[in-house]
Amino acid sequence: QTVVTQEPSLTVSPGGTVTLTCASSTGAVTSDYYPNWFQQKPGQAPRPLIFSISSKYSWTPARFSGSLLGGKAALTLSSVQPGDEAEYYCLLYHSGAWVFGGGTKLTVL
Amino acid sequence: QPQLQESGPGLVRPSETLSLTCAVSGGSISSSNYYWGWIRQPPGKGLEWIANINYRGTTGYNPSLKSRVIISVDTSKNQFSLKLTSVTAADTAVYYCMRWSNSGGWGGDYWGQGSLVTVSS
Repeated sequence: QTVVTQEPSLTVSPGGTVTLTCASSTGAVTSDYYPNWFQQKPGQAPRPLIFSISSKYSWTPARFSGSLLGGKAALTLSSVQPGDEAEYYCLLYHSGAWVFGGGTKLTVL
Repeated sequence: QPQLQESGPGLVRPSETLSLTCAVSGGSISSSNYYWGWIRQPPGKGLEWIANINYRGTTGYNPSLKSRVIISVDTSKNQFSLKLTSVTAADTAVYYCMRWSNSGGWGGDYWGQGSLVTVSS
């Protein structure tokens, strides 16, 4: 079964920029993997941010952007705010199944 | 915008069947642009996809859970359901229902608030 790997934790300063990545054990992530990104804060349901690599929802802040980077899906947060501190999960589709990454705990410090 | 609401028992005995229903309001479940799915999250752990279904009954299952999962849809009630058989303590989790939509690529755009199910005797 596909394994999706994310950085376990990252730290960023307020106002800074950080990039989270999402790798697949099956090889390079492409558009066929329909990369999705979700933000989850404690006690809350996941909040969708990005779908299909880089498409945003109407509620997705402009500071969040998705891309493919070096064979991985990537989520970049610019002008980071304290409220961005959360767990971020990527989700990939491969061979008929959806697989979540283990999540990246983003600390804003 | 659609709203999804999970319902079902909060406590299930080991070896029994977990049953949850997701009621969809603010939109029809019967559209070829949507799939409907279940995700779970054990306490303090990450997210795990369980299964998807569309209004025609076309399904997809997590291979690791497929032998124990049944997902179904009831278009007349605008809802879909999950059954997980032979549960153990490892199935204790918050169970979320969600909608997948295809807007030039599949995305999980709307989620329920989640339902905690504890497996314990």
